[in-house]
Amino acid sequence: DSGVTQTPKHLITATGQRVTLRCSPRSGDLSVYWYQQSLDQGLQFLIQYYNGEERAKGNILERFSAQQFPDLHSELNLSSLELGDSALYFCASSKGVGLAGNEQFFGPGTRLTVL
Amino acid sequence: QQPVQSPQAVILREGEDAVINCSSSKALYSVHWYRQKHGEAPVFLMILLKGGEQKGHDKISASFNEKKQQSSLYLTASQLSYSGTYFCGTAPSNTGKLIFGQGTTLQVKP
Repeated sequence: DSGVTQTPKHLITATGQRVTLRCSPRSGDLSVYWYQQSLDQGLQFLIQYYNGEERAKGNILERFSAQQFPDLHSELNLSSLELGDSALYFCASSKGVGLAGNEQFFGPGTRLTVL
Repeated sequence: QQPVQSPQAVILREGEDAVINCSSSKALYSVHWYRQKHGEAPVFLMILLKGGEQKGHDKISASFNEKKQQSSLYLTASQLSYSGTYFCGTAPSNTGKLIFGQGTTLQVKP
C-alpha cells in the first residue's frame, strides 16, 4: 500500500458523458501527478499540481481538467468522453515540486471504460 | 520525446541476470525506473541524476551515461518476484514532468 488513495476503482460510462476521478496523496506529500495508461500508449503524464498550483503539463486534452484543493486532494475531470479515453488513470504523489531525488508513489488507479 | 527501451521483452530463469536499456534523443537531467506488476500500480526502483547521484533499491543497480543519454538497469540473480514490466522515465530538467518509455516485460521462470 503506497498511501495514495484513488476513487472510484472502476467507472463505466457512455460516450459524451463527464466523470470525476479523485485522488488523495500520501500524508506530507505536496505534489500530485495524473497519468493515463492505455495498452497502445503506455504510461502518459497528464499534469502535476504542487500545493494547489499547476506546475507541469503533459499532453493533456482540452476536454480534461484537474485541480488540487487546499486539503491537497486532487480531482481529474474528463468531459465529452470518447471511446479512446478508456484507460487506467493513475494518480501519484511526491514530497517536492521537482523529481530530482523525489520518488513518486502511485495509487491503485481508476479503470475507466467508455461504452 | 519518448525514450526507447530495449529489449521489449525478456524471459529468464531464476538466478540469471538481465539488463534493460533506456535511450533518449534529448539531454537528460534524471532517469527514473519503476516496476509494474500486472494489475498493480508502478513501484519506484531507482532515480539517477545528472552528476552521478543515485537513490534507490538495494538489490537493483543502474547506470546513467549523461553524454549518451542512456541508462541501464541491472537485475542480478533474478528472483520470481522480479517479474513485471519495467519502465524508465526521463526528465530533461528538474520538473515534475516524466516521459516514460514503452516498457520492458520481464518474466522470471523457476
